[in-house]
Amino acid sequence: EIVLTQSPATLSLSPGERATLSCRASQSIAGYLAWYQQKPGQGLRLLMYDVSNRATGIPARFSGSGSGTDFTLTITSLEPEDFAIYYCQQRSGWFTFGGGTKVEIK
Amino acid sequence: EVQLVESGGGLVQPGGSLRLSCAASGFTFNDFWMSWVRQTPGKGLEWVANTNEAGGERYYADSVKGRFIISRDNAKNSVYLQMTSLRVEDAAVYYCVRGGGLAVSGTKGWFDPWGQGTLVTVSS
Repeated sequence: EIVLTQSPATLSLSPGERATLSCRASQSIAGYLAWYQQKPGQGLRLLMYDVSNRATGIPARFSGSGSGTDFTLTITSLEPEDFAIYYCQQRSGWFTFGGGTKVEIK
Repeated sequence: EVQLVESGGGLVQPGGSLRLSCAASGFTFNDFWMSWVRQTPGKGLEWVANTNEAGGERYYADSVKGRFIISRDNAKNSVYLQMTSLRVEDAAVYYCVRGGGLAVSGTKGWFDPWGQGTLVTVSS
């Protein structure tokens, strides 16, 4: 099973600041990585797929990068609605998810 | 608007059974793989099962293989998860999700969108 490790567990930032979230895979997953956002009481929302493609309706302040085993989700300037939990997910070998990074208001 | 609405969750004793349903709307249902994913505070997110567009292919996580069955009815735009021999560790919020085909390219291979989830509690 491919294990995804996300860091940090919690990111405390202010609106307008830049957020950088990391996801590391236990083995190479090529470009088979997605990022999701989850708010309390809701299902997940697809943000990025195939590393760097924004899903429909996702604003340009979200971007993804990386390859192989190391991936990054960047939010260039945090809006109030961006404070949430973010998960990475791979589908190189079946499907596994990272443990999540909580982006909270500082 | 694409919508997935789960139902059927509830409290069940260990060893019991439960059938989850998911009603889909707003898209051409038989054009997509469908999946179930569960979430717990302790174990996080876990893919449970998926099925292809026609329902002829079905795959399962090792943790549920032999106990859960995923099925779909394209005439009713619905997907189901029959859960038997339930264990305490099966307790979770179960999400119905569009997508999840490993060999499918683009967004259709990923999980999008997700339903609101249905809570399954396994306890005596």
